[in-house]
Amino acid sequence: KAGVTQTPRYLIKTRGQQVTLSCSPISGHRSVSWYQQTPGQGLQFLFEYFSETQRNKGNFPGRFSGRQFSNSRSEMNVSTLELGDSALYLCASSLDRGIEQFFGPGTRLTVL
Amino acid sequence: GQQVMQIPQYQHVQEGEDFTTYCNSSTTLSNIQWYKQRPGGHPVFLIQLVKSGEVKKQKRLTFQFGEAKKNSSLHITATQTTDVGTYFCRNNAGNNRKLIWGLGTSLAVNP
Repeated sequence: KAGVTQTPRYLIKTRGQQVTLSCSPISGHRSVSWYQQTPGQGLQFLFEYFSETQRNKGNFPGRFSGRQFSNSRSEMNVSTLELGDSALYLCASSLDRGIEQFFGPGTRLTVL
Repeated sequence: GQQVMQIPQYQHVQEGEDFTTYCNSSTTLSNIQWYKQRPGGHPVFLIQLVKSGEVKKQKRLTFQFGEAKKNSSLHITATQTTDVGTYFCRNNAGNNRKLIWGLGTSLAVNP
């Protein structure tokens, strides 16, 4: 089985721009979660989607949004980028919530 | 809300020494999962503990779940340089089954 894939792997943007990140889960996995990881902050949960519905949401501003398509692929969008949004964005898929999550390699976003 | 505290935040050991990281909660945990993230990599699932007092082993790694299900530990015997990375614990919590992650313990091993 192919693993979780994320595109792009690296991204450089400037303040005020917007960005869309993509995640393709493992075939058959319906749950997709997004995390932001910065040094010293661990894994900050952004949101979780299951069967195209947002099932859970972390404490991030409304500039962070996401969606899931019928094929379970997911995208997350960050609008009006700020310097503090520079981070590694990780996507993880699982058969369902609470079960072992499989992480993608992440997208490294740098905001200048 | 429920929090999971992980200690220590950092640990530096000499190769061959043992290492332990702890995951503590003020409330009962339904389960605990442990993940390892190598430098520059992504978290990889190690194990899940569900039962009170459960102990599981993976080669040199020993995982324990406390009797009260409020804490867990990961112990590595005779560390090797391949053990370098950050170890995270994670729990499903609450009726809406929020996923709660610890901040991780970063392990450095001197050869």
